[in-house]
Formats: sequence, structure tokens, C-alpha cells
Amino acid sequence: GIQVEQSPPDLILQEGANSTLRCNFSDSVNNLQWFHQNPWGQLINLFYIPSGTKQNGRLSATTVATERYSLLYISSSQTTDSGVYFCAVVRFSGGYNKLIFGAGTRLAVHP
Amino acid sequence: DAGVTQSPTHLIKTRGQQVTLRCSPISGHKSVSWYQQVLGQGPQFIFQYYEKEERGRGNFPDRFSARQFPNYSSELNVNALLLGDSALYLCASSLEGVRTEAFFGQGTRLTVV
Repeated sequence: GIQVEQSPPDLILQEGANSTLRCNFSDSVNNLQWFHQNPWGQLINLFYIPSGTKQNGRLSATTVATERYSLLYISSSQTTDSGVYFCAVVRFSGGYNKLIFGAGTRLAVHP
Repeated sequence: DAGVTQSPTHLIKTRGQQVTLRCSPISGHKSVSWYQQVLGQGPQFIFQYYEKEERGRGNFPDRFSARQFPNYSSELNVNALLLGDSALYLCASSLEGVRTEAFFGQGTRLTVV
């Protein structure tokens, strides 16, 4: 099956710093999503980005499907950005599609 | 519009018992999927249902079962609970199709003692 690797596994930032999170996947995919999991466990949708670049406020994401990676950029980080960031890919197979998650990047932003 | 809703939010069960978790998808979404997330890991796929039929199943034992109702809500059942079933159970809903975005509920945190 498809392997999804996220790096770095852990990241500590001072408020105001910028960061780049990376997601590598081992095969072609039909879909890719980035999520932020808050301390209560809720997965919050950040980007639905099978290819190309998108921006939403201080966050932006780029997926290069042909090279099998995606990047999530966080600029001017805030303490509320703390949590776990997951990349998940979809490969349609056998008549259904399932999200395959990476292990996540745990981000801590300190004031 | 309401998002994906799950109930209950927390649950404590004893080994060997059975549990039922519930999920209501976003209005208009016909596909519901279930995921298990153990502490420190990413969510793992359990089931996908569409139009009341099971479309796909992950690598989970037969103790795990699910169903989808005519209103597209879904239940996940786990029998003969083991300590290792302690996890956050997440429900996701989406429109049908490959290139559709999945949205998650807040999860049910199950503790087996």
C-alpha cells in the first residue's frame, strides 16, 4: 500500500516564526488533504489539494503530484497553531476511497 | 449547516463488553467512513459505507462491524472489547466520488478498562 511520511515529527517554534511541514507519499494519489488536530481531537480541514498551490490566511500549501510530495507553510506562527498536523492521501482502489494518514507533525508554538 | 456529529463524546467500557458509536454526516453527504486513532498515531481506516452498503474495510477483526441507515447516519459496533480497542474513533463524511473532500466529526474517545 501507499506509504505516507511526514517530517519533521516534532517542531518547536517561537511565536512569529515561519515553518514548513513536508509530506512524502510513495505512489500516485487521487486526493490529498491537510488537517490540524486540536487538543480535543477534532480534525480540522486546512487544505484539499491534490495538486497546485492554495493559500488561506497565514497558511499555504503546495502539492507536486508528479514528484509525490506536499508542503504546508505556516507564517507568523501563533500559539493557537499548536497541535498535530496530518497529511492524508487517497488512492481510489477496489471501488472505494480511503484516507491514508501520515504519523503527523507535532507543533508547539511558545509565546 | 451542522457538521459531522458523533455521539457519545466519551465512553468507558469494561473488557468483553460491546459498544455502539454513532455518526450523523453533513447534510447531503452520502458516504460515511470510520477511523481509529490510537494515541500518538495517525488515524487508521476501518470502514466506508455508501448508500447503506459497505464499500471498503480496513485491516480490523470481525469484532468490528458497522451499518448505514436510510438517512445516511451510521453506527460502528465493537464486540468483545479488548484493552487495545481504547482509542479515538473518528467518523468522516463526504460526497460520493474520488475527488471529494472528507470532513470529520469531533470523535468518540473510548476507554476500555
